[in-house]
Amino acid sequence: QVQLVESGGGLVKPGGSLRLSCEASGFFFRDYYMTWIRQAPGKGLEWVAYISSSGTIPYYADSVKGRFTISRDNAENSLYLQMNGLRAEDTAVYYCARDGGATTKDAYDIWGQGTGVTVSS
Amino acid sequence: DIQMTQSPSSLSASVGDRVTITCRAGQSISYYLNWYQQRPGKAPRLLIYATSNLQSGVPSRFSGSGSGTDFTLTISSLQPEDFATYYCQQSYSTPPNTFGGGTKVEIK
Repeated sequence: QVQLVESGGGLVKPGGSLRLSCEASGFFFRDYYMTWIRQAPGKGLEWVAYISSSGTIPYYADSVKGRFTISRDNAENSLYLQMNGLRAEDTAVYYCARDGGATTKDAYDIWGQGTGVTVSS
Repeated sequence: DIQMTQSPSSLSASVGDRVTITCRAGQSISYYLNWYQQRPGKAPRLLIYATSNLQSGVPSRFSGSGSGTDFTLTISSLQPEDFATYYCQQSYSTPPNTFGGGTKVEIK
């Protein structure tokens, strides 16, 4: 079935790095823009980054620009988020989501279950 | 960035009640307004896209309306599984696809 499965979260010290992965199945991954969204404990949803279907066009929220890098491997049906220079305020559950494109007018129609990142000394 | 403001931030309602949640955009976003439901401990799921289009599998008691800057999500008869937090999101001007702050629907 159509699904996204994230992995790679964990506990990391301030200034450290972590790489999140999101494996897609059940659909033509290479046809879709993909996004990372996060949710700090008890807070709302925050858009983090997205990447075009080909992987050539990334965009970042100002809060992560210069520290996070979004990438994808269409041959492996996988999306990644390399997070460097982590701060306490990056502590959140990170979700990958599919941009439904023209079908949903760019609403996010498929979400992963999320992976937790805790930045603490 | 386009600011999205939801109201109320929380509400209490009973099973069977009609519930309305409002979302206001900081500028016109045409009909590019989406609604998500998030149950506790779960990932968000898409309910409605482009103001009024029900995502596949979503019950018909959910509906959306509006245009420009003002939008509404209505649950015609609240069910136990509808107690959750609801988020609006604009997909008119991206990036970023900004979200509203959320509305928590609790049991009265």
